[in-house]
Amino acid sequence: EVQLLESGGGLVQPGGSLRLSCAASGFTFGIFPMSWVRQASGKGLEWVSAITDTGDSTYYMDSVKGRFTISRDNSENTLFLQMNSLRADDTAIYFCARAAYCSTTGCPFDSWGQGTLVTVSS
Amino acid sequence: DIQMTQSPSTLSASVGDRVTITCRASQSISSWLAWYQQKPGKAPRLLIYKASNLENGVPSRFSGSGSGTEFTLTISSLQPDDFATYSCQHYSSYFRTFGQGTKVEIK
Repeated sequence: EVQLLESGGGLVQPGGSLRLSCAASGFTFGIFPMSWVRQASGKGLEWVSAITDTGDSTYYMDSVKGRFTISRDNSENTLFLQMNSLRADDTAIYFCARAAYCSTTGCPFDSWGQGTLVTVSS
Repeated sequence: DIQMTQSPSTLSASVGDRVTITCRASQSISSWLAWYQQKPGKAPRLLIYKASNLENGVPSRFSGSGSGTEFTLTISSLQPDDFATYSCQHYSSYFRTFGQGTKVEIK
């Protein structure tokens, strides 16, 4: 059974940092691209960042570019999101998601974690 | 960036109704569109990929159609378990975006 388990969320002050982790199990982690998707309370889903299966290429939404860094450790089956210079509008539940059925440039997400809450507030 | 617009935002329906949700892209995305179902406090669930392909385990009452800029998700006979929020997502580029969601409520 595919499992994705996020951790690392919490309360942080504006300008602070957090590192999210997503532990994967039940599948060959190193052959799947992965993404982070967030959802503010009562709002829609928002794609944040993606990384290829090897980790060679990464992609970010404009508002987090330069502040967030996605990475992965295929030997530990873990996905990461380093979030720096956090702002109030980064407050959301952050989901890690496995990409599948990819086109040449993008993928939908066939498996999701349960999410971890990030709250940015003073 | 490609914008995705869903309609309606909220839909009231009864068990047994046929339900249709529309998703429009701001430019052509070919068939690179997915649909998700999400219930409160839960992660999204993939229903449809590549506009019309049913994900494994998804009931056949769900179907998707469309290409280019206009897409639809249809539930042929609404069941009690289907009351949820449905979102579309394009993946024609790495900078994939979601629609704002359509909440299907009990009438």
